[in-house]
Amino acid sequence: QVQLQESGPGLVQPSGTLSLTCAVSRGSISINNWWSWVRQPPGKGLEWIGEIYHTGSTNYNPSLRSRVTISLDSSKNHFSLNLGSVTAADTAVYYCARGGIYSSLVDWGQGTLVTVSS
Amino acid sequence: EIVLTQSPDTLSLSPGERATLSCRASQSVNSNYLAWYQQKPGQAPRLLIYGVSSRATGIPDRFSGSGSGTDFTLTISRLEPEDFAVYHCQQYGISPLTFGGGTKVEIK
Repeated sequence: QVQLQESGPGLVQPSGTLSLTCAVSRGSISINNWWSWVRQPPGKGLEWIGEIYHTGSTNYNPSLRSRVTISLDSSKNHFSLNLGSVTAADTAVYYCARGGIYSSLVDWGQGTLVTVSS
Repeated sequence: EIVLTQSPDTLSLSPGERATLSCRASQSVNSNYLAWYQQKPGQAPRLLIYGVSSRATGIPDRFSGSGSGTDFTLTISRLEPEDFAVYHCQQYGISPLTFGGGTKVEIK
């Protein structure tokens, strides 16, 4: 079973950039998988942010596309999320997961709470 | 995008009872790419069902999924104490992937 672990700042200033990394262990990020980011505002439902394939191809949620970049570093076996121009509405638990289009989200990280506040 | 509507919002049941959760899609789900996840407080979601009716690894057979097109159901045949949680449906056949709002199964 692949294991995933999110890391990054827990507090981001409004209008700043949220940056998170997902480290993949017990498996290679370079195999035929999509890798996704999902978020969950406190007390609310799940929202898919976007995904990256091992080749570097990406798909993003149109609601966030203008502010999101997902990248992958196969040498470090991790993938990353950058979300720009953040506001309080971006406060959420952010999860990384293995899976995406045509593949359910089989493995999940434990999640990391990111708060947008000054 | 495909909008998924789950009902009811909350289901109050006793251990041993049968739980029936509904997920309705705004348009037909592509090739039955429909999954169900269980989420407990403070934890990440866990995959229960994929492809409408296939149980994920390690999921007990009291969990079953059914449906097609736009109407899907998750059934828990006999609730165990550890089954009280929030359940989310998700479609992963058309981008953007989308989730339902969740159904909370609580102890009556």
